[in-house]
Amino acid sequence: AQRVTQPEKLLSVFKGAPVELKCNYSYSGSPELFWYVQYSRQRLQLLLRHISRESIKGFTADLNKGETSFHLKKPFAQEEDSAMYYCALNRETSGSRLTFGEGTQLTVNP
Amino acid sequence: NAGVTQTPKFQVLKTGQSMTLQCAQDMNHNSMYWYRQDPGMGLRLIYYSASEGTTDKGEVPNGYNVSRLNKREFSLRLESAAPSQTSVYFCASSDDGREGLRAKNIQYFGAGTRLSVL
Repeated sequence: AQRVTQPEKLLSVFKGAPVELKCNYSYSGSPELFWYVQYSRQRLQLLLRHISRESIKGFTADLNKGETSFHLKKPFAQEEDSAMYYCALNRETSGSRLTFGEGTQLTVNP
Repeated sequence: NAGVTQTPKFQVLKTGQSMTLQCAQDMNHNSMYWYRQDPGMGLRLIYYSASEGTTDKGEVPNGYNVSRLNKREFSLRLESAAPSQTSVYFCASSDDGREGLRAKNIQYFGAGTRLSVL
């Protein structure tokens, strides 16, 4: 069965500090992984996808198939990064059927 | 470009009442979804529709029904609301277009409906 685990429900860092939001998955096929973000009073939106291998708002995430992880990292956190972050796994070979993790609430303190 | 629009934004029901949550998208997406969001549990898929005229159960379909009215609209109905259905409900649609050799598989979400069942 497919499963996505985000071990930290809450994460608090100071502005300028590095931040890492952990995501582990279990899936027997070839995974397609995403990070979605929900800022306060805004709708859930895509942050980045592993296949794009891009940096969005200073965030990066690398798929580690050996450790079955897709951790989200940013070297210098900003206050505007405070939000709920969800890791998600697409379990379809075609189309989109996402399994979401439990979410991590990130707070960046001034 | 409105994207995904949900109505209502808030609703309070009494146990046993029924209601329909409406969702419409203007992005010409084939696939649409209904999720519920509960603290500590992330988003869980209730139902989805891969195309107009088709619907399938997700992880937590009990107590819900859906209708894919046309390509734009996908509604979620609670026939007899229960307190366990108190949640925030999100509708989404997905861009399943291709990007090179791979499908994009990006989901776009509505603003959510906050439902309380007393």
